[in-house]
Amino acid sequence: SAVISQKPSRDICQRGTSLTIQCQVDSQVTMMFWYRQQPGQSLTLIATANQGSEATYESGFVIDKFPISRPNLTFSTLTVSNMSPEDSSIYLCSVHQQGSGGYTFGSGTRLTVV
Amino acid sequence: DAKTTQPPSMDCAEGRAANLPCNHSTISGNEYVYWYRQIHSQGPQYIIHGLKNNETNEMASLIITEDRKSSTLILPHATLRDTAVYYCIVREGIGNNNDMRFGAGTRLTVKP
Repeated sequence: SAVISQKPSRDICQRGTSLTIQCQVDSQVTMMFWYRQQPGQSLTLIATANQGSEATYESGFVIDKFPISRPNLTFSTLTVSNMSPEDSSIYLCSVHQQGSGGYTFGSGTRLTVV
Repeated sequence: DAKTTQPPSMDCAEGRAANLPCNHSTISGNEYVYWYRQIHSQGPQYIIHGLKNNETNEMASLIITEDRKSSTLILPHATLRDTAVYYCIVREGIGNNNDMRFGAGTRLTVKP
């Protein structure tokens, strides 16, 4: 199964700043998915990132706030821009797990905005 | 609208079977049932999936009713390390271009 390396694992940021989260996969994948998990809540899909095209965002999420890059088939970044305390969450990336039908998730980035 | 309904929490004694129910009464013919779990402070972990037949792997068994409107995830011998939130997800197909949509899940607590 795919192995995802997600960085940073956690960060504390000042409001108004931006943080870029990286996901590196050990195999080539078509789609990468970015999720947000607010404190005590389930996961919410932010966007789907396909290599070579703009990401597709879910309702309530916009590119200006969460720009995504997908420069190749093994890497993607999510930036949380102009952060406010409401952005304090865990952010996770995910890819399809070849051979099993399931999806593999990164270990997440725990973001605290102060 | 939520596609699945799960109890918010359940307890299970260590060593006993944990049976986690999921209702998906509006499931369509090409939708699969997936189960994931999320142990505290970790990313979700894939457990198992099925279409209409019962499935078993090294982690769990999945029992899907004949009408496919509900299913049960069975952990045959629960351990303390199985304490987690378990998510039942209904999703079309098994290709890699469709995302997973998470509901609230069931918080399973395995007690000694």
